Amino acid sequence: QVHLQQWGAGLLRPSETLSLTCAVSGGSFSSYYWSWVRQAPGKGLEWIGEINHTGYTNYNPSLKSRLSMSVDTSKNQFSLNLSSVTAADSAVYYCARIYSSGWYEYFQHWGQGSLVTVSS
Amino acid sequence: SSELTQDPTVSVALGQTVRITCQGDSLRNYYVSWYQQKPGQAPVVVIYARNNRPSGIPDRFSGSSSGNTASLTISGAQAEDEADYYCKSRDSGGDQWVFGGGTRLTVL
Repeated sequence: QVHLQQWGAGLLRPSETLSLTCAVSGGSFSSYYWSWVRQAPGKGLEWIGEINHTGYTNYNPSLKSRLSMSVDTSKNQFSLNLSSVTAADSAVYYCARIYSSGWYEYFQHWGQGSLVTVSS
Repeated sequence: SSELTQDPTVSVALGQTVRITCQGDSLRNYYVSWYQQKPGQAPVVVIYARNNRPSGIPDRFSGSSSGNTASLTISGAQAEDEADYYCKSRDSGGDQWVFGGGTRLTVL
């Protein structure tokens, strides 16, 4: 049974850096891409970026200048750092595993979500 | 703004059939997947690669696609199907993932 457990600071001041980590258990880590998605209060889902076990990353262009993702294969974990946060970055952040067959891909498993609030 | 367009709200009578649509040029070239999200919960995939259901998803959920429009159909909607539904695919350039704006389904 695949399980994604995520954690990180829930309350940030403007201009601080948001940091979240997602730990994966119950499946292969190196066979998949891993992604972050966020959802502002009352809003829809927004894709943030993805990373694989080699550290290859692909970021949402709207966040790219502030975004950094990393992976720790020894711990089966991947992380998100978003710098210079503002109130607009307040959201529930989800980590997810991307299943890829080569022909199609989808977000197969999700973490429980982490609420991040940016407030002075 | 999202490159995938969904109706914000849709309603259906209990036991009836409802179709939720998703429009976008990228759907001509890339598969769509559909996600159900209930309040306070993480999204759950209900359809992937146009019309495939993960194990555990009831067979009343089905998907289809034609041209630039993908559809999620719930045949015989149940009260527990009341949720937000999001389509997801690649953007037109194929580099980024993009979600539709979401459809809130109300079961009457």
